Amino acid sequence: DSGVTQTPKHLITATGQRVTLRCSPRSGDLSVYWYQQSLDQGLQFLIQYYNGEERAKGNILERFSAQQFPDLHSELNLSSLELGDSALYFCASSVDGAGELFFGEGSRLTVL
Amino acid sequence: DQQVKQNSPSLSVQEGRISILNCDYTNSMFDYFLWYKKYPAEGPTFLISISSIKDKNEDGRFTVFLNKSAKHLSLHIVPSQPGDSAVYFCAASALTGGFKTIFGAGTRLFVKA
Repeated sequence: DSGVTQTPKHLITATGQRVTLRCSPRSGDLSVYWYQQSLDQGLQFLIQYYNGEERAKGNILERFSAQQFPDLHSELNLSSLELGDSALYFCASSVDGAGELFFGEGSRLTVL
Repeated sequence: DQQVKQNSPSLSVQEGRISILNCDYTNSMFDYFLWYKKYPAEGPTFLISISSIKDKNEDGRFTVFLNKSAKHLSLHIVPSQPGDSAVYFCAASALTGGFKTIFGAGTRLFVKA
């Protein structure tokens, strides 16, 4: 158990819909990262937050947005969903925004 | 823009032999490198790391080697065990400036009994 909690574990929705994925970091970790893993692909970095502020951005689509709240949990919002958005979405946390990341078990999104 | 590359999608090794997984990077700003292991239906877990001021770090059966001039690192597993069968991700980050951690595409290791 990494201490990082992601909900929901599985989500099935239709094209055009909007979903929210939630992540609670490990106790004491200030930084949260979001990664996308499509079928047989590597981990694509989406976005990183540190203590509520956006710190780094990767290949995150404009249809996607994220935020980190004062209690340090984070949400990833995916809108106008397309079939290609079907993937595993991982959240990770770290103490200081670099170094070792602790990953949650992922949220598997299926868009039909 | 693949800043971290793992060119071998898969590797098959006999139990007891050495497994060598390779990783190349392009950004000279990276100063911290990590290897993660991932089993199916689980999130990646940290395995071993190395700072750019070192060229080798060892932890039990796992050793990571860094060649800064070649921008290359490798993970050696000796001896390999069937339980090591997993996907291994190489990652790189910069400790200053809150640089994002970039992952390679992963190498699937099969250790045959």
